[in-house]
Amino acid sequence: DIQMTQSPSSLSASVGDRVTITCRASQNIRSFLNWYQQKPGKAPKLLIYSVSSFLSGVPSRFSGSGSGTDFTLTISSLQPEDFATYYCQQTYTDPITFGGGTKVEI
Amino acid sequence: QPQLQESGPGLLKPSETLSLTCNVSGGPFISSSYYWGWIRQSPGKGLEWIGNIHYSGSADYNPSLKSRVTISVDTSEKDFSQFSLKLTSMTAADTAIYYCVRRVIVTGAIWFDPWGQGILVSVSS
Repeated sequence: DIQMTQSPSSLSASVGDRVTITCRASQNIRSFLNWYQQKPGKAPKLLIYSVSSFLSGVPSRFSGSGSGTDFTLTISSLQPEDFATYYCQQTYTDPITFGGGTKVEI
Repeated sequence: QPQLQESGPGLLKPSETLSLTCNVSGGPFISSSYYWGWIRQSPGKGLEWIGNIHYSGSADYNPSLKSRVTISVDTSEKDFSQFSLKLTSMTAADTAIYYCVRRVIVTGAIWFDPWGQGILVSVSS
């Protein structure tokens, strides 16, 4: 199985801060990397797919980058509604696997 | 965007079989790009992909669960808008929130969206 390692596991930040979360795959997953946002008591919600692409409705302050094994999710200016847990996911090969999550706290 | 809703029992005893159903409404079920599946989340194991199925009946499972899992489409519904999960020989380690999801496959990209709200399944004697 492909192991997905996120760092940090948690971080504290303030509204307006720039936040960066990293995700490393145990092998090359090309661009098959997605990011999800999960708020307490809710299901994960797709944020970014294929490293840096968005479905409609995702604020432009979110961006993704990377390729191969190293990937980054950046929130350019943290907003109150962004405090949540973020997960990376590889869909390069089955079994699909997720990172352990990064909790963004105030 | 379709809506997905899980249903089934919230409490099972060890060794019992879990049966969950996902109802899909408000969007097409039949598409060459859509697979329908299950993901679970527990404090100990995080997010774990269980498996998925195409409307044609072709299914894929996580090898870690493959011997105990069956995902099927409900063909009794004229519009093919339901799919189900069966997980046998349940133990406390299977206690988790179970989500039904749509897996979208297009050229060069695969993602999971939308997700159901999730159903908490506990296993206890």
